[in-house]
Amino acid sequence: NAGVMQNPRHLVRRRGQEARLRCSPMKGHSHVYWYRQLPEEGLKFMVYLQKENIIDESGMPKERFSAEFPKEGPSILRIQQVVRGDSAAYFCASSPVAGQGNYGYTFGSGTRLTVV
Amino acid sequence: TQLLEQSPQFLSIQEGENLTVYCNSSSVFSSLQWYRQEPGEGPVLLVTVVTGGEVKKLKRLTFPFGDARKDSSLHITAAQPGDTGLYLCAGAWGSARQLTFGSGTQLTVLP
Repeated sequence: NAGVMQNPRHLVRRRGQEARLRCSPMKGHSHVYWYRQLPEEGLKFMVYLQKENIIDESGMPKERFSAEFPKEGPSILRIQQVVRGDSAAYFCASSPVAGQGNYGYTFGSGTRLTVV
Repeated sequence: TQLLEQSPQFLSIQEGENLTVYCNSSSVFSSLQWYRQEPGEGPVLLVTVVTGGEVKKLKRLTFPFGDARKDSSLHITAAQPGDTGLYLCAGAWGSARQLTFGSGTQLTVLP
């Protein structure tokens, strides 16, 4: 069984460009979470989505950042007009039920975004 | 915003020694999880604790959950170089449906 698939693994963008990060959850998982991690730090929550719905985006910057999880296809985290401060590792996780319950999250390997 | 404190931030020990990592909050957790993260990879779930006073075990790793459900720890017995990695606790409170992660403990076990 495939785990959570994220692509690309590495992404380099110039300041002002757009970054699109993709996440395909585990089969049977309909809940997706995006986190950002800076070097040697913990993960910061950004957004929680279910199919076609944003449930909680309290951790996502109001400007330039958006997320979606369409009925078909992967979840997308989109960063417009990237700045150097956006450089980080972005992780996607999925779970089979609402909330963390007793199941925990299954994480992807992340996308390392570097803004030059 | 609920705060989750994890300590120490860095820990370097010799092979064979024991160690403890701490995770606590001023509020009652609805559940708490421990993850381990290798460089260049995503976190991997080690254990989930839900019931106050419970102690989960995973080989040489022990995870007690406080009676009041406000704290937990990770204890490793006879650490090995293969235990090296970033250990993260993550918790949720009340009806929150997303996890809040601690800042992590970078463990290095020297041979």
